[in-house]
Parts: sequence; structure tokens; C-alpha cells
Amino acid sequence: AQSVTQLDSQVPVFEEAPVELRCNYSSSVSVYLFWYVQYPNQGLQLLLKYLSGSTLVKGINGFEAEFNKSQTSFHLRKPSVHISDTAEYFCAVTVDYKLSFGAGTTVTVRA
Amino acid sequence: DTEVTQTPKHLVMGMTNKKSLKCEQHMGHRAMYWYKQKAKKPPELMFVYSYEKLSINESVPSRFSPECPNSSLLNLHLHALQPEDSALYLCASSPPGPTASQYFGPGTRLLVL
Repeated sequence: AQSVTQLDSQVPVFEEAPVELRCNYSSSVSVYLFWYVQYPNQGLQLLLKYLSGSTLVKGINGFEAEFNKSQTSFHLRKPSVHISDTAEYFCAVTVDYKLSFGAGTTVTVRA
Repeated sequence: DTEVTQTPKHLVMGMTNKKSLKCEQHMGHRAMYWYKQKAKKPPELMFVYSYEKLSINESVPSRFSPECPNSSLLNLHLHALQPEDSALYLCASSPPGPTASQYFGPGTRLLVL
């Protein structure tokens, strides 16, 4: 079965610093990869997705991710974070209609 | 309209109560989902409806009963719940197809006493 592993459970970062959230996937077939964000007391919001084509994917709020087939990774990056980026971030892989989420990474941005 | 709405926002119920959660979307999506999310955990898929028919049931206990009255509405009927069922219940919708992005509602926070 396809799955994703998020390598960091918590990432503290200072405001205006860059951040990288790591996600590895396991699959021997085509993968569809997603990053979702969950702000406190809210539902999930799609940041970006990779289906095929260009390996660098740009999303909302200045986030981007790079699909690396050889390393089976889909890391999320932002060059400069804001306090408002404090949230839970989930990497996910889909097969048919099922989304399988990673355990999540808590990002805490400090001034 | 790219919004999925859920009511109520919060719900407290006893173990003998019957209650229902409601989810609505007007994006024309033909797939709708129920997820359960415990604190500090990722969402867990419960049910999937495709074209108003139940297509996936992830071995959910029968005290949870989903219903899809039409293409815009999804309900989750609750009966005889246990305290361990306390969680955030998220609804999502998407166009059909394996590459479709799911749009999530804000959730209903359920507390079972």
C-alpha cells in the first residue's frame, strides 16, 4: 500500500526564516502527492499537489515543493515564514478516492 | 462558491442520544467524504460517497450511519456513541477521479459524555 512518512513531528522556526518540511513516500506505481495545512481549530486546506510533469510545484501562500523520484521525497519549503504560518502540515498520497495522510508536522513560528 | 459547510460547529451528546452532523457543498462535486480526527493526529477516512452511493466504508462501527440525500448534502447520523468517539469530524468533497483535490469543511467538534 502507498504511504507517506513525515520525518519531523515539530519544527520551530523564527519569523522571516526559511522552513523545510520533509515527506517521503513509498510506492512502486504512479503517485499523486499533496500537502495540506490545518490552522488551529480549522479544517484542512490544500497548499499544493503533484500529479505529473514539472517536479517543482508552486502552491498558495508562497509554499513550494519538489518531487524527487530517486529519493522518493516530496519536501515542502517556504523561503520566509510569517507568524500566520503557525499550523499543522500534512503530507498525503492518494490512491483512487482515498487520501492517506502522514502523521503531520507542527510548525511554530516565533517572532 | 468553493466552500464546504458543516453544522453544528460543536456538539455535546450523551451515550444514549441520537444526533446528526450535516455537510453541504455547492461546487458540483460528486464525491463526498467523512473523516474522523483525534487531537494531534491526521484525519482518518470513515466513508466515501461517489455519485450519492456509498463506495467506501472503512470498517466503521454501525453506531455511525452516513447518508447522502442528494449531490450537495452529506449527513452522519450518530447513535449510542462512546466517549472514545469524541473527535473532530471533517467532511470533504471533490470532483471524481484519483487526482482530484479534496476540499474540507471546518469540522464538527464532538464530545461524548
